[in-house]
Amino acid sequence: DAKTTQPPSMDCAEGRAANLPCNHSTISGNEYVYWYRQIHSQGPQYIIHGLKNNETNEMASLIITEDRKSSTLILPHATLRDTAVYYCIVRVQGAQKLVFGQGTRLTINP
Amino acid sequence: KAGVTQTPRYLIKTRGQQVTLSCSPISGHRSVSWYQQTPGQGLQFLFEYFSETQRNKGNFPGRFSGRQFSNSRSEMNVSTLELGDSALYLCASSSAGGSHNEQFFGPGTRLTVL
Repeated sequence: DAKTTQPPSMDCAEGRAANLPCNHSTISGNEYVYWYRQIHSQGPQYIIHGLKNNETNEMASLIITEDRKSSTLILPHATLRDTAVYYCIVRVQGAQKLVFGQGTRLTINP
Repeated sequence: KAGVTQTPRYLIKTRGQQVTLSCSPISGHRSVSWYQQTPGQGLQFLFEYFSETQRNKGNFPGRFSGRQFSNSRSEMNVSTLELGDSALYLCASSSAGGSHNEQFFGPGTRLTVL
């Protein structure tokens, strides 16, 4: 079973920041938080991951709370192409298996 | 670098038949994982192969099997197809050489069982 809880859907206006929350209250000390997204009819795409520090890359920022029980993925300037299902996954370092939950369906509106 | 490729992209079979799906990982990647995606169950892990050995297995019946070749290409086979096997089958490859080996997914094979 997935160890994460996400809202089933969210809406965001184009050009605004999209903030996607994720709860992972049972995360272990050696588990990382990963985010993937799946655009309709395509394979999932890696976005970002982190352990306990905030992370940023060209796609997004990841904010992890100090107790590591929740995190937020931030898309700073959402575009229509960011419309997708976003999955938050906790994963042991080095493990290949990804356990997907139901994810959040993010819709970017013009 | 070419991405993960899967063939065929679409497939229609009837109940009781068997099917073989193919996945070519990114050059240099040695780990290949397979996932099944259905509207009801979402994305579920099937198995992972590394250096021609199954390293991890999900909770699927024995009708689902796979293998990996020396060039890291992988195939999965489903025997005695059931209607419930209709799904998008995704494979993902990674280098599996470090701690944060990102998984790269292919476009999937959409299997319809009639």
